[in-house]
Amino acid sequence: EPEVTQTPSHQVTQMGQEVILRCVPISNHLYFYWYRQILGQKVEFLVSFYNNEISEKSEIFDDQFSVERPDGSNFTLKIRSTKLEDSAMYFCASTRLAGLNNEQFFGPGTRLTVL
Amino acid sequence: SQQGEEDPQALSIQEGENATMNCSYKTSINNLQWYRQNSGRGLVHLILIRSNEREKHSGRLRVTLDTSKKSSSLLITASRAADTASYFCATDVRAAGNKLTFGGGTRVLVKP
Repeated sequence: EPEVTQTPSHQVTQMGQEVILRCVPISNHLYFYWYRQILGQKVEFLVSFYNNEISEKSEIFDDQFSVERPDGSNFTLKIRSTKLEDSAMYFCASTRLAGLNNEQFFGPGTRLTVL
Repeated sequence: SQQGEEDPQALSIQEGENATMNCSYKTSINNLQWYRQNSGRGLVHLILIRSNEREKHSGRLRVTLDTSKKSSSLLITASRAADTASYFCATDVRAAGNKLTFGGGTRVLVKP
């Protein structure tokens, strides 16, 4: 069964460094998302992406964040200058349809630790 | 309460018993989705119920949706130790660009 994959599974970085989190959505999906989950807290929406542009972004998704779909398969989240509070599990998700049948499938996550 | 709040926060049952958890939300939705998360791991999609549906089944899972009360329930029948996990509801709010809003989850412990 097709699934969303994410790399790396765990990333440790120093504060102020740039990180790129990578995702390969399910191949026939058209809508892509990033969410994050700070330890012990709810899963929070960051950004949605469709037709090679951002559809919506949350307040968390400030100028330090960017997303890109550099080719036909990868979907990346870049954090330009990481802060301690960026430490979280980051999930990529994808869906084929919007609206009533927007069944979002999530990857296994990347645990980002900022020291 | 916030959009997508689960109740109870934690549930402890014996293997073989049924587990029921509820989710309440505040605004009109396209659909409501339930996910399972094992400790520190990814989110596994369990079931989606559309706003025009009232009940849906998948294996040992039964989900109901009451749009008049803005609530949903997830029932796991004949629970197994492997069902131990956190369960989250997530709402796809109309006019909100298909992003999902998650609740805080119900932690379920199934004792063998």
